Amino acid sequence: AQSVTQLDSQVPVFEEAPVELRCNYSSSVSVYLFWYVQYPNQGLQLLLKYLSGSTLVKGINGFEAEFNKSQTSFHLRKPSVHISDTAEYFCAVNSGYSTLTFGKGTMLLVSP
Amino acid sequence: NAGVTQTPKFQVLKTGQSMTLQCAQDMNHEYMSWYRQDPGMGLRLIHYSVGAGITDQGEVPNGYNVSRSTTEDFPLRLLSAAPSQTSVYFCASSYSIGSYEQYFGPGTRLTVT
Repeated sequence: AQSVTQLDSQVPVFEEAPVELRCNYSSSVSVYLFWYVQYPNQGLQLLLKYLSGSTLVKGINGFEAEFNKSQTSFHLRKPSVHISDTAEYFCAVNSGYSTLTFGKGTMLLVSP
Repeated sequence: NAGVTQTPKFQVLKTGQSMTLQCAQDMNHEYMSWYRQDPGMGLRLIHYSVGAGITDQGEVPNGYNVSRSTTEDFPLRLLSAAPSQTSVYFCASSYSIGSYEQYFGPGTRLTVT
């Protein structure tokens, strides 16, 4: 069975500081990994995905993530955050028949 | 393309009432699914469909029913609402098996009193 662990429920950070949101996964099948962002009272938007190939994946809004098979991790990073990045971020792994297993989410709180 | 649409956006039900959450997509996607989102729990899969006429249960199917008579529509039925079903419900679709990227609808916020 697949599972996703997001190690931090909240990450407070100051504007223009770097940030890393941590994600570890467990899977018994070939792994496809995703990060989604949810702004307040909105749906989920895809930030980036890893399907195969380069382990460093670049997404929208300046975010990137690195797939590390040996550490079963897919951490999300941004070198300089903005107030507008305040949102909840979800890591997900494929779980069969085009469905996903999600982590519990990490709330990124960016303050001035 | 409108993408994935859901109606209603908000709904309040009394315990024991039934209702149907509507979901439609205009991208000709084979796969559709329903998730519920609860605080601190992430999203959990309720039911999914791999094509018209084919549905299956996800992680939390109890109290919900689905059918898929067309490629476009995938309604979720609450048979007898309970307070534990208070949640935000998201419908999603994806193109085909192996294409795990999910396209999400805007969600339905349901409160059961």
